[in-house]
Amino acid sequence: KQEVTQIPAALSVPEGENLVLNCSFTDSAIYNLQWFRQDPGKGLTSLLLIQSSQREQTSGRLNASLDKSSGRSTLYIAASQPGDSATYLCAVGTDSWGKLQFGAGTQVVVTP
Amino acid sequence: DTGVSQDPRHKITKRGQNVTFRCDPISEHNRLYWYRQTLGQGPEFLTYFQNEAQLEKSRLLSDRFSAERPKGSFSTLEIQRTEQGDSAMYLCASRRVTDTQYFGPGTRLTVL
Repeated sequence: KQEVTQIPAALSVPEGENLVLNCSFTDSAIYNLQWFRQDPGKGLTSLLLIQSSQREQTSGRLNASLDKSSGRSTLYIAASQPGDSATYLCAVGTDSWGKLQFGAGTQVVVTP
Repeated sequence: DTGVSQDPRHKITKRGQNVTFRCDPISEHNRLYWYRQTLGQGPEFLTYFQNEAQLEKSRLLSDRFSAERPKGSFSTLEIQRTEQGDSAMYLCASRRVTDTQYFGPGTRLTVL
C-alpha cells in the first residue's frame, strides 16, 4: 500500500529565504506526482505536475524534483514571500485514472 | 469563473439526518473525483467517475454513502444517517484524460 509522508509538518521562515519542502513515498511505481497549495478552509490549487518519466518541473519561483528510485520529491520555492504562507500538499498518482494518494502536508509560515 | 464549484459551502446537520452535496466540474472534464479531508490531514480518495460511470469506490465509502453523476455532468454525494465521524471537508475535483486535477472549494460538513 502506497504511503506518502511529508516532513516537517510545519515550517516558519523569514521573508526572502528559500523554502525546501520534502515528500517521500513508499512505492516507486508511481504514475505521476503533484504538488498542491491549500489556504485555510479552502480547496486545493495545483502548483506542479511531474510525470513519472520526468525529473523536474518549474514554474516561476517554484521547482519540483522527482527521484522515483529513492521515493522522494522536493518542492523548492525561491525568495519566499508572506503570500506563500499556506499548507503544501504532495500527492502521488498511482495509475492513469487519476486517483491521488496525499501526504498530510507541510504548513508554511513566511514572516515579514 | 469556469472552475469547479461545490454547493453548499457549509452544512451543519444533526446526527441521523441525510445530507446531499453537489459538485459542478469544469465543463469539458470527463473525470470527476470525490475526496474527504479531516483537520490536519491530506485528502482521502472516496470515489471517481469517468463520464457517468462510477469506476471505483474506496473502502472509506460505507453503505451510507452514495454518489451519482447523471449524464456525465454534475455529481452528487449523499450521506444517509449522518454520524459525528462524518464531519469533514468534502472536496470534488475534475480533469480531462491527461491533465492535472482541479479542485473545488469544498463543502464543510459539521454533524452535531
